[in-house]
Amino acid sequence: QQQVKQSPQSLIVQKGGISIINCAYENTAFDYFPWYQQFPGKGPALLIAIRPDVSEKKEGRFTISFNKSAKQFSLHIMDSQPGDSATYFCAASDSSYKLIFGSGTRLLVRP
Amino acid sequence: EAEVAQSPRYKITEKSQAVAFWCDPISGHATLYWYRQILGQGPELLVQFQDESVVDDSQLPKDRFSAERLKGVDSTLKIQPAELGDSAMYLCASTLTSGSSYEQYFGPGTRLTVT
Repeated sequence: QQQVKQSPQSLIVQKGGISIINCAYENTAFDYFPWYQQFPGKGPALLIAIRPDVSEKKEGRFTISFNKSAKQFSLHIMDSQPGDSATYFCAASDSSYKLIFGSGTRLLVRP
Repeated sequence: EAEVAQSPRYKITEKSQAVAFWCDPISGHATLYWYRQILGQGPELLVQFQDESVVDDSQLPKDRFSAERLKGVDSTLKIQPAELGDSAMYLCASTLTSGSSYEQYFGPGTRLTVT
């Protein structure tokens, strides 16, 4: 019940395309859903996050879509750029502030 | 911009040796986390501190791992003795934990290789 399932494991997108990464959870106590971006050899960096009281949040080219009834959320990267090539992790937390991470998606944006 | 500091960045040690990692969280951040990230996987929580107190260490292998945050600021994670399976990235994160702030900020990590 504590798991966060992430797909796909890897994704290849052409420059300018849309990258979509999906996550699903079971624990209805989760109330915070962040996405982290990680480059090789670096720590994860917070990209964007959403609370379950909204269905969508947009920051620049990055958008989180949230479906509370389906217990799913997704990250959309519009106009994907080669510099977006990284590993993306979804995560979830309840009031304990402990993050449960997905297994990660390795994104490659081809020039 | 304030950052979480970690050292060393890389550590190679032999099996059965002791190893220690250090973390200095962002100033004012009361909550500190240690995570372990195996290559190709997401980070997994090892221990969570609120100030100097351990909030959750249920996933910490206590027979060989220990963590402390004596003055509620910086923290040390120790492994003794190290095993081959401990090879991973060890990440430290911190958060303000005031009101409804959940945002965790990660340091660059310590890459441990056990030979």
